[in-house]
Amino acid sequence: DAKTTQPNSMESNEEEPVHLPCNHSTISGTDYIHWYRQLPSQGPEYVIHGLTSNVNNRMASLAIAEDRKSSTLILHRATLRDAAVYYCIPNTGNQFYFGTGTSLTVIP
Amino acid sequence: DAGVTQSPTHLIKTRGQQVTLRCSPKSGHDTVSWYQQALGQGPQFIFQYYEEEERQRGNFPDRFSGHQFPNYSSELNVNALLLGDSALYLCASSLVWGNTEAFFGQGTRLTVV
Repeated sequence: DAKTTQPNSMESNEEEPVHLPCNHSTISGTDYIHWYRQLPSQGPEYVIHGLTSNVNNRMASLAIAEDRKSSTLILHRATLRDAAVYYCIPNTGNQFYFGTGTSLTVIP
Repeated sequence: DAGVTQSPTHLIKTRGQQVTLRCSPKSGHDTVSWYQQALGQGPQFIFQYYEEEERQRGNFPDRFSGHQFPNYSSELNVNALLLGDSALYLCASSLVWGNTEAFFGQGTRLTVV
């Protein structure tokens, strides 16, 4: 499994964009890059995933570096509900190996 | 659709006892995975069931076992409980074909005293 490096914590002001980085330099060619988030006292929640191209959905955008060794999750306008721990998981298949993630604080 | 449901939500057990946790997957999902999340840590993969068989296993001892039923629901059993087994146990369901969205339940909080 690819090792990931994420900042332990980040802060953002409400209604501003947030860029959450992830390094995954040992990613294999078949690994997708998944992002999940976990709100306090809840199970993880799917955010987005992609292989090579940048991806957009209603929750976020995923920007993947051309060499695939890093990616960035973009929340376009942070809300208080986005305060959570965000996990970046390079993976093939549907079992996930979580790291410690980035704890995002949203400031009103 | 109720999503993934887990029971019970909280449980207190004594060291050495055995415990069974239950999970009903999201409608239409055929694969169930179990995770253990200690306080302040990310979830750790325990094992995954598909077609009533254990298909993948993480780095957990044989005290952790499971079962999947024909209706895709699943149980996690832990024998000879240790204090270190105290954690949030999460169930996730998905389709067998990889790289799809997994849905997680709210978890069962197990406390071993």
